[in-house]
Amino acid sequence: EPEVTQTPSHQVTQMGQEVILRCVPISNHLYFYWYRQILGQKVEFLVSFYNNEISEKSEIFDDQFSVERPDGSNFTLKIRSTKLEDSAMYFCASSELALGAETQYFGPGTRLLVL
Amino acid sequence: GDSVTQMEGPVTLSEEAFLTINCTYTATGYPSLFWYVQYPGEGLQLLLKATKADDKGSNKGFEATYRKETTSFHLEKGSVQVSDSAVYFCALASGGSNYKLTFGKGTLLTVNP
Repeated sequence: EPEVTQTPSHQVTQMGQEVILRCVPISNHLYFYWYRQILGQKVEFLVSFYNNEISEKSEIFDDQFSVERPDGSNFTLKIRSTKLEDSAMYFCASSELALGAETQYFGPGTRLLVL
Repeated sequence: GDSVTQMEGPVTLSEEAFLTINCTYTATGYPSLFWYVQYPGEGLQLLLKATKADDKGSNKGFEATYRKETTSFHLEKGSVQVSDSAVYFCALASGGSNYKLTFGKGTLLTVNP
């Protein structure tokens, strides 16, 4: 069964460093998402992406964050200058369509720790 | 804005016990409702969903009914197994924003043999 993959599974970085989290969505999906979950808190929407541009972003997704689809398979989340509060589990998701009832398929997540 | 409130965990049950995890929501319009499950070391997987009032979603013995009058989508299973041990997330996608899911905090379920 097709699945969303994410790399790395864990990343430790120093505050102020740039990190890139990578995702490979399901191949025929057109809509891509990033979510994050700070330890003990809710899974929060960050951004959605379609047709090489951002469809929607949350208040969390400020200028420090960017997303890109650099080729036909990868979807990346970049954090330019990490802060301690960026420590979280980051989930990538994809869906075939962008409808309210459409299932989003999630990857296993990347656990980011900022020291 | 949209929000989901679900039962705080952790929940610990014995095998074959009855499970209920409560979920209520606040949303504009008529949201679609979902239950996702996360097994240890894995990503979030869709367990079941319902797209309109009175719909019942079901999968793997789990059920949830979309109750518009009580704005609820409680998850139930008649007889849990050890393999059901996981974190369960209630979520919604509202008509105002079809591109994102709003999640509850998650409920950790542990089933003991």
